[in-house]
Amino acid sequence: QKEVEQNSGPLSVPEGAIASLNCTYSDRGSQSFFWYRQYSGKSPELIMFIYSNGDKEDGRFTAQLNKASQYVSLLIRDSQPSDSATYLCAVNSGGGADGLTFGKGTHLIIQP
Amino acid sequence: SAVISQKPSRDICQRGTSLTIQCQVDSQVTMMFWYRQQPGQSLTLIATANQGSEATYESGFVIDKFPISRPNLTFSTLTVSNMSPEDSSIYLCSVETRRGGTDTQYFGPGTRLTVL
Repeated sequence: QKEVEQNSGPLSVPEGAIASLNCTYSDRGSQSFFWYRQYSGKSPELIMFIYSNGDKEDGRFTAQLNKASQYVSLLIRDSQPSDSATYLCAVNSGGGADGLTFGKGTHLIIQP
Repeated sequence: SAVISQKPSRDICQRGTSLTIQCQVDSQVTMMFWYRQQPGQSLTLIATANQGSEATYESGFVIDKFPISRPNLTFSTLTVSNMSPEDSSIYLCSVETRRGGTDTQYFGPGTRLTVL
């Protein structure tokens, strides 16, 4: 059974600092990895995806993937109060026909 | 990314009744999915809505309880049948598009269902 694990938090980070969010997954066949941001009462919003080992940067966000360790992370630089949300890690086994397996999410709080 | 709408946005229903949720996309997409998010929980995949054939259900979800239609490449419905309070959840549809060499999913705004 595919599992995705995240620390539920809350993770409290001062404004302007780097927020680091972590995720591990159980299925070694997983091919694509996603980070979604979900504000309270809203639907998930895709912010990053990664499928190759290493780092991928997009603005203030960096996704990191280590397939050998089955580990995905998301770094948010220069954290802003508007980054306060629940961050969901999701995994796809690939092939274009599979839904996503989600972690339970990490609640991030950016303190002004 | 595609623009996705869902109707209704929320509803309060009585136990034993059924509710049909609609998902509309502004462009043709091959893959559509239905998820459930129970209160305080993460998302769980219910089924893949296949155009022209029966939906593919995940373990723990059955067609009699969650019948799904997918008449074309821009529309799908999910029915929650014979509802009980345990069905109170947010129901979300998603569509899959190709972006940067990867199949990525985007979510509709969700339908918040409360069963009394």
